[in-house]
Amino acid sequence: EDKVVQSPLSLVVHEGDTVTLNCSYEVTNFRSLLWYKQEKKAPTFLFMLTSSGIEKKSGRLSSILDKKELFSILNITATQTGDSAIYLCAVFNAGNNRKLIWGLGTSLAVNP
Amino acid sequence: EAGVTQFPSHSVIEKGQTVTLRCDPISGHDNLYWYRRVMGKEIKFLLHFVKESKQDESGMPNNRFLAERTGGTYSTLKVQPAELEDSGVYFCASSQHDPTYVSGYTFGSGTRLTVV
Repeated sequence: EDKVVQSPLSLVVHEGDTVTLNCSYEVTNFRSLLWYKQEKKAPTFLFMLTSSGIEKKSGRLSSILDKKELFSILNITATQTGDSAIYLCAVFNAGNNRKLIWGLGTSLAVNP
Repeated sequence: EAGVTQFPSHSVIEKGQTVTLRCDPISGHDNLYWYRRVMGKEIKFLLHFVKESKQDESGMPNNRFLAERTGGTYSTLKVQPAELEDSGVYFCASSQHDPTYVSGYTFGSGTRLTVV
């Protein structure tokens, strides 16, 4: 059965710290991996990764995919209290359906 | 552009009652998806519409759940009769193009359903 595993499940840091969130997957016919940030409401899109070794970057956030070892990491540097959220990792398989397979998420709390 | 809108944001009903959730996708998005997150579990796919047609409903838990998208615009998800295990957050999402290549979906804020 396809699965996505995120670690850690929960993380508490201080402002200014750098964090690394992990996502490993076992999915047949992998197509792409996505990271979302969920605060109080809708998950909001961060990155889509399809190729190994190519870093995607947006401000203090960056992510990279390793298709050989079947994992991705999401880095957040110089964390701020506004980074506090649940970070969700999800994977598309390349089947005819277009459904995402989700991890449980990492709950990040950034304290001032 | 307006985002994906879901209504209601919260619903508390008694076991055995009926509840209807509504999703208004982004205008022009032919693809509409329903997902559900039960507390402590991963978000799980329920079904996928392309316009008014059900493309994949493999994630629908049982026949107490009925989804419709008449006219290919908004969608409703009806649970009848509701059971305790139906409690969770129901997310709707939409996409214009193939989401596996282009930025995934846009999600609504979800409907938190509590069955007591």
